[in-house]
Amino acid sequence: NAGVTQTPKFQVLKTGQSMTLQCAQDMNHEYMSWYRQDPGMGLRLIHYSVGAGITDQGEVPNGYNVSRSTTEDFPLRLLSAAPSQTSVYFCASSYSRTGVGNTIYFGEGSWLTVV
Amino acid sequence: GENVEQHPSTLSVQEGDSAVIKCTYSDSASNYFPWYKQELGKRPQLIIDIRSNVGEKKDQRIAVTLNKTAKHFSLHITETQPEDSAVYFCAAQAPDSWGKLQFGAGTQVVVTP
Repeated sequence: NAGVTQTPKFQVLKTGQSMTLQCAQDMNHEYMSWYRQDPGMGLRLIHYSVGAGITDQGEVPNGYNVSRSTTEDFPLRLLSAAPSQTSVYFCASSYSRTGVGNTIYFGEGSWLTVV
Repeated sequence: GENVEQHPSTLSVQEGDSAVIKCTYSDSASNYFPWYKQELGKRPQLIIDIRSNVGEKKDQRIAVTLNKTAKHFSLHITETQPEDSAVYFCAAQAPDSWGKLQFGAGTQVVVTP
């Protein structure tokens, strides 16, 4: 049981490039989400999914795209990288979309630098 | 939507002393309040949580209190140790939020020997 797995751990991109951050969980969790973490701003929700085929926007969705074709995977795509997207990205999952108070488990994080 | 404010942003304490971090939330419907600890370069990890039908919860040296009327909740760490040094985040979740958490900005706690 690996939990929530993110790749890559570190990435440097040039402005305008695109890339995909991969996220997979093996806990059969319905709910998955992506957060970005910037100094002094806590964790801000980018996109989330309550099940395969269902996604929605969070607090800061611009410049990012997601899809959820399987329960296990929830990739985050940067369409045209900008320096403002330099951040640490965390994927997270929890058991049930309908339950309040289900523990959210985080991946190890992906450090992205856009130059 | 929900807004969570967290204070202080940094907290320096002597080993053995207590540390208190306070958070306020705006959505009176929020009913789940977890606290996460994040060590440098690591992922956030849940350390304690409280639901709105409970006023206080303890787990060894950490405790959380909730005041629903005032819409604030606090984390208390007693007998602090160097390994308590980390960033702590509070969060709030509402029943209709589909599992979304609204996080505070975080508190950097430094425990000096």
